[in-house]
Amino acid sequence: AQSVTQPDIHITVSEGASLELRCNYSYGATPYLFWYVQSPGQGLQLLLKYFSGDTLVQGIKGFEAEFKRSQSSFNLRKPSVHWSDAAEYFCAVYLMDSSYKLIFGSGTRLLVRP
Amino acid sequence: DAGITQSPRYKITETGRQVTLMCHQTWSHSYMFWYRQDLGHGLRLIYYSAAADITDKGEVPDGYVVSRSKTENFPLTLESATRSQTSVYFCASDSGREQFFGPGTRLTVL
Repeated sequence: AQSVTQPDIHITVSEGASLELRCNYSYGATPYLFWYVQSPGQGLQLLLKYFSGDTLVQGIKGFEAEFKRSQSSFNLRKPSVHWSDAAEYFCAVYLMDSSYKLIFGSGTRLLVRP
Repeated sequence: DAGITQSPRYKITETGRQVTLMCHQTWSHSYMFWYRQDLGHGLRLIYYSAAADITDKGEVPDGYVVSRSKTENFPLTLESATRSQTSVYFCASDSGREQFFGPGTRLTVL
């Protein structure tokens, strides 16, 4: 069965430091992968997605993610974190049964130290 | 305004009452979804719909009913609310390339 794992429940970084949030998936074929961000009290906003092509994907707010098939990973990165990046981040993959259902990871909460 | 809206944004009800959460999208996306979000469980799919009059169960459908008489609306009904249904509920629609989420409804069942 398809699954998405985000091994870090919480991550704390200092403002201005670099960030990497981990995401691993299990899926036999080429997955369609997403990163969403959820600020407190808000809905989910799409940061970026990977369907095919270049394995380094650029998103909004200065985020990028790299698809690594050999490691079944789709880690999210940002070179310099801002205090406004404090939020919860979800990795997700389309369930490939043509239903467009998303399988979500459990999320990583990012805390930013001033 | 184009987008996906949910109402109400906040709701407090009592055990045993019927509650309906509304979801409306302006894009005419075929696929729509209802999730609940709880601490420690992330987002879990309750029901989804591939088109008007076509709905199917997700991971946690018990205690919920959906309908989709029009493409743009996808209401979720709790027929007899229980405390375990206290949660934040998100509606989403899918363009075929990504899902768009509504702002959520925070439901408290006393």
